[in-house]
Amino acid sequence: QLQLQESGPGLVKPSETLSLTCTVSGGSISSSTYYWGWIRQPPGKGLEWIGSINYSGSTYYNPSLKSRVTISIDTSKNQFSLKLSSVTAADTAVYYCARGTTLAAGANWGQGTLVTVSS
Amino acid sequence: EIVLTQSPGTLSLSPGERATLSCRASQSVSSSYLAWYQQKPGQAPRLLIYGASSRATGFPDRFSGSGSGTDFTLTISRLEPEDFAVYYCQQYGSSPATFGQGTKLEIK
Repeated sequence: QLQLQESGPGLVKPSETLSLTCTVSGGSISSSTYYWGWIRQPPGKGLEWIGSINYSGSTYYNPSLKSRVTISIDTSKNQFSLKLSSVTAADTAVYYCARGTTLAAGANWGQGTLVTVSS
Repeated sequence: EIVLTQSPGTLSLSPGERATLSCRASQSVSSSYLAWYQQKPGQAPRLLIYGASSRATGFPDRFSGSGSGTDFTLTISRLEPEDFAVYYCQQYGSSPATFGQGTKLEIK
């Protein structure tokens, strides 16, 4: 059964870089069928698609975040990662990783991890 | 960017009643690439409907999706207690993918 698990610091200081990793188990991240994505949800608010990546490193990013976002993949570790630079309090959110298509979040999600931006 | 507007914001119904949730797009959604997600408190969203009308694994047939172009509907034919949650629509036909603001389905 496919499982995704987010990991990373729960607290990041303003202006620093948020870094999260999603570890995939029960399936290969090298499958050519899927894209691997990040979605976030500020506390009490709705969902925002951040971007996605496939096994070969092809990426799609939300233009609203593109200047600050990097998504990468490590097929040897069955992991993919998110980096968001120059964070502010507005980046405080639960961050989810998911398996889907280029733009669709899909059916398999991690449990989510809360990242708070605060000094 | 395609803006999705969901209505109503909150829907108060009783178990056994029929629920109709709307998702309207600011532009036509390509190839009916429209999904619905169900989210319960403290949980990740669960894919409910994809391709506007295909039901995802694990959801009973009281859930159905319909629509095309700019108007989409999620219908729950007869509400069960476990159906009360927040429902989001998402379009994935053009970049960036976007979500609606959500409809909260609450027990009356």
